[in-house]
Amino acid sequence: GDSVTQMEGPVTLSEEAFLTINCTYTATGYPSLFWYVQYPGEGLQLLLKATKADDKGSNKGFEATYRKETTSFHLEKGSVQVSDSAVYFCALTPDDKIIFGKGTRLHILP
Amino acid sequence: EAGVAQSPRYKIIEKRQSVAFWCNPISGHATLYWYQQILGQGPKLLIQFQNNGVVDDSQLPKDRFSAERLKGVDSTLKIQPAKLEDSAVYLCASSPSRAGGYTFGSGTRLTVV
Repeated sequence: GDSVTQMEGPVTLSEEAFLTINCTYTATGYPSLFWYVQYPGEGLQLLLKATKADDKGSNKGFEATYRKETTSFHLEKGSVQVSDSAVYFCALTPDDKIIFGKGTRLHILP
Repeated sequence: EAGVAQSPRYKIIEKRQSVAFWCNPISGHATLYWYQQILGQGPKLLIQFQNNGVVDDSQLPKDRFSAERLKGVDSTLKIQPAKLEDSAVYLCASSPSRAGGYTFGSGTRLTVV
């Protein structure tokens, strides 16, 4: 079945470091791809999305490109801040429901 | 616009007790989802409603879990009896259609002791 695999955490970086969180997917069709973020004590928030191959989603300095040839949707940010500390979930919607990865916890040190 | 409302925010119960969670989706959103998020894992879909009808409940443990959305608006998820492994955050989400635009509530954190 359709699934998402993302790199295990926790990921610990210093402030202003470059961030990459890897995400690959398995899907029989052409899903939309998402990154959600969950800040401590809060609910899931949509961070960015891409609906077709080669689309780039971006928000708050984060970017991810839908790569059909490598079935990937890696999350990147050029310079992380302490406030980016959260759990990040890669997800896909093959039809009308969301399938999530296990999440990657990110710690940013000042 | 108001978000997806869930209550209670936290609940602690003993095993074998029953518990109910409530969700009020964004006004006009026809599709409503309940997800279970166990600590350290991604959310897992339990049940999906389209208006007041069930679209998918294939991953709902029906021997102990039930959910309803009688008037096609708010929804209740019940667990009876609860087990220790039911400890999780229960998330409600809604969307205007089956084509996406999901909004999640803050969740109910259940601890079964």
